[in-house]
Amino acid sequence: DVKVTQSSRYLVKRTGEKVFLECVQDMDHENMFWYRQDPGLGLRLIYFSYDVKMKEKGDIPEGYSVSREKKERFSLILESASTNQTSMYLCASSPGGSGPFYEQYFGPGTRLTVT
Amino acid sequence: GDSVTQMEGPVTLSEEAFLTINCTYTATGYPSLFWYVQYPGEGLQLLLKATKADDKGSNKGFEATYRKETTSFHLEKGSVQVSDSAVYFCALIQGAQKLVFGQGTRLTINP
Repeated sequence: DVKVTQSSRYLVKRTGEKVFLECVQDMDHENMFWYRQDPGLGLRLIYFSYDVKMKEKGDIPEGYSVSREKKERFSLILESASTNQTSMYLCASSPGGSGPFYEQYFGPGTRLTVT
Repeated sequence: GDSVTQMEGPVTLSEEAFLTINCTYTATGYPSLFWYVQYPGEGLQLLLKATKADDKGSNKGFEATYRKETTSFHLEKGSVQVSDSAVYFCALIQGAQKLVFGQGTRLTINP
């Protein structure tokens, strides 16, 4: 069974704090993704990575950065948290390759509140 | 750019009712289409998919048919159960493995 784990289910931070959200997958997947989920907006892609030390911007990268030092771990960083970053954050992973689409497996999510 | 539009929720039905959740898409090419489900307190799970026109995806009694002529991928189930209560997301993918999601539809089934 593929497992994607996220470091926290709930997190409360203050405005201006640096926030790290960690994601680990145990299936040796090449691809990893960070989304945020907001009511009425669905899921929006923040950043993704096709390989170690490789990253690409998604649709809403502003205010975020990422790090992928090891294949199994993909971190989302909020350099200076703001209240408009209060959201549910979902990590996903999938096998790599340029062929047919491979299913993305999602973690349980981290609900972040910035006060 | 590519986009997905789902019927607005929330949707509330009685057990054993027929379910339809509408989904339409806009894309320049021929995307693959998906339905994901999110049960309370959990991440998203792939429910079903279709990779080309006229394909029908099915799983757990749910079905959806890829209709190129109407750019639609409506989700249906003949008889819903309380355990089907969840948020359902329609999504597409094209080219690089970046999913584009609809806004989600919250479904509540009453006993």
